[in-house]
Amino acid sequence: DSGVTQTPKHLITATGQRVTLRCSPRSGDLSVYWYQQSLDQGLQFLIQYYNGEERAKGNILERFSAQQFPDLHSELNLSSLELGDSALYFCASSPSAGFTDTQYFGPGTRLTVL
Amino acid sequence: GQQVMQIPQYQHVQEGEDFTTYCNSSTTLSNIQWYKQRPGGHPVFLIQLVKSGEVKKQKRLTFQFGEAKKNSSLHITATQTTDVGTYFCAAVQLNTGNQFYFGTGTSLTVIP
Repeated sequence: DSGVTQTPKHLITATGQRVTLRCSPRSGDLSVYWYQQSLDQGLQFLIQYYNGEERAKGNILERFSAQQFPDLHSELNLSSLELGDSALYFCASSPSAGFTDTQYFGPGTRLTVL
Repeated sequence: GQQVMQIPQYQHVQEGEDFTTYCNSSTTLSNIQWYKQRPGGHPVFLIQLVKSGEVKKQKRLTFQFGEAKKNSSLHITATQTTDVGTYFCAAVQLNTGNQFYFGTGTSLTVIP
């Protein structure tokens, strides 16, 4: 158990819909990272928040957005969903802002878009 | 597209054989991390390499960072069935700012 929690574990929805994925980092970690893992694209870094502020941006679509709240939990919002958005979404946390920290991954949310 | 390539994509070995996965970048890396993901699981951090030419060992696992900091390898000696999983390298490329890339991964199957 990494100490990072993600909800829900599974999510099934239809094209065009909007969903919110939630992540609670390990106690004391200030950074949260979001990743998308699909069979054809591998593990893709989406975005990083550090202490409430966006810190780094990866291959995140404009239809996707994220935020980190004062209690440090984070939400990833996916809108106008397409079939290709079906994937496993991981969040990870680390103590500080840089990419030289160990990242602790949560169990993931499996999103299925029908 | 993928900025950090790994080879091979798949590897099947007999238990007890050695295994190596290679991670290659076209540009210099600031550091490199290795993760292992068991089937159905999430990535778990193994190690980080920072210095040019660095070599680190964890029991049967040996990690190397190339002299030019553009490639890395993970070698497992005498594989066991518990080594099954996908091994990813991950790194920040120096000319891409805060872009963190995971390699394409190598899926290891160990045949008992």
